[in-house]
Amino acid sequence: ELKVEQNPLFLSMQEGKNYTIYCNYSTTSDRLYWYRQDPGKSLESLFVLLSNGAVKQEGRLMASLDTKARLSTLHITAAVHDLSATYFCAVGNNDMRFGAGTRLTVKP
Amino acid sequence: NAGVTQTPKFQVLKTGQSMTLQCAQDMNHNSMYWYRQDPGMGLRLIYYSASEGTTDKGEVPNGYNVSRLNKREFSLRLESAAPSQTSVYFCASSEAWQVGGYTFGSGTRLTVV
Repeated sequence: ELKVEQNPLFLSMQEGKNYTIYCNYSTTSDRLYWYRQDPGKSLESLFVLLSNGAVKQEGRLMASLDTKARLSTLHITAAVHDLSATYFCAVGNNDMRFGAGTRLTVKP
Repeated sequence: NAGVTQTPKFQVLKTGQSMTLQCAQDMNHNSMYWYRQDPGMGLRLIYYSASEGTTDKGEVPNGYNVSRLNKREFSLRLESAAPSQTSVYFCASSEAWQVGGYTFGSGTRLTVV
């Protein structure tokens, strides 16, 4: 059965700092997604990664995928308060499985 | 606006009561899903429907039933609610050939007392 693990689960950052969230998954998959969720809200799709070595960037967020290691990373550059949210990675297609989420808090 | 619509947004049930959560999408997607979200556990798949007329169990199907009424609508039924089913429920839809991920509804916050 597909398992998806994220770490860390909680992350408190100072504004302007860099950090990386890690996502490991247990079985081969052709798609990996990153989602953002604000408190009390639904999920918003950030990135989809389809192949080994894929890299996507949007603003201060950059996601990458290593299918051989079954690892994806979400790198945050020069964090700002607006990035505070919970970030989920998810793997699969017809029955997508989610990691537990990383609750990011960016402090001034 | 195109998207996934869930009703109701909030519900309080007594233990043993039944209810149906409704979900409809207007994007002509073939696949629809029900997830529950509990603190610290991410989203867990309850049931999904890859196409009209088919349904499959996900990670946590016990205590739930689903109906894919037509291509647009996918309902989730709790026959005899239990406090362990207190959660936020999300419906989502997707199209297999699209790579943009799932489109999620706004969620239903269910409390069973």
